[in-house]
Amino acid sequence: DQQVKQNSPSLSVQEGRISILNCDYTNSMFDYFLWYKKYPAEGPTFLISISSIKDKNEDGRFTVFLNKSAKHLSLHIVPSQPGDSAVYFCAASEIQGAQKLVFGQGTRLTINP
Amino acid sequence: NAGVTQTPKFRVLKTGQSMTLLCAQDMNHEYMYWYRQDPGMGLRLIHYSVGEGTTAKGEVPDGYNVSRLKKQNFLLGLESAAPSQTSVYFCASSLFSNQPQHFGDGTRLSIL
Repeated sequence: DQQVKQNSPSLSVQEGRISILNCDYTNSMFDYFLWYKKYPAEGPTFLISISSIKDKNEDGRFTVFLNKSAKHLSLHIVPSQPGDSAVYFCAASEIQGAQKLVFGQGTRLTINP
Repeated sequence: NAGVTQTPKFRVLKTGQSMTLLCAQDMNHEYMYWYRQDPGMGLRLIHYSVGEGTTAKGEVPDGYNVSRLKKQNFLLGLESAAPSQTSVYFCASSLFSNQPQHFGDGTRLSIL
């Protein structure tokens, strides 16, 4: 039973346009959500996070939206750049105690020039 | 500015052999974690530690042991390697439980 799901294995977007990556979760105890970016042969790199008390968090070109009632979060990248091509993972955990992250399967984002 | 360093980067083992993966962090982080990543799947938590001398089980702990004798190091051991443990292993650390985790670049382990 996968508690965090990214239903799109891949996404292709034109440079300069908006990239929208989606993530769904089933565990209502999750209250801290993160997005990580991963290049080949490297470890995941933290991108942006959001706690359940917010519904939006922005950091430069990256915005994360959280819809608690739908148990859905999304990452918006605008404008998309070639360097954004990578695999993106969403992850979730409970804030209490150790941060035991549960990851989605990842979405491979390709930005086309 | 090393961050999280994993040793070795690659290793090939035969079934039944044992080995230890080393994770070292220089950020004085309290929390450390071991994950594995398999093709088409996200990372899964194996074991974690909330401070020096502590360890706890994650989602997929069977077949692995860990130790955190020093704050900066977190060791992952395979006592008797099995082909099902072929994977990429990632170590991570965080200052506190509500802070993002910083990951190492992974150890690619193949068990024949």
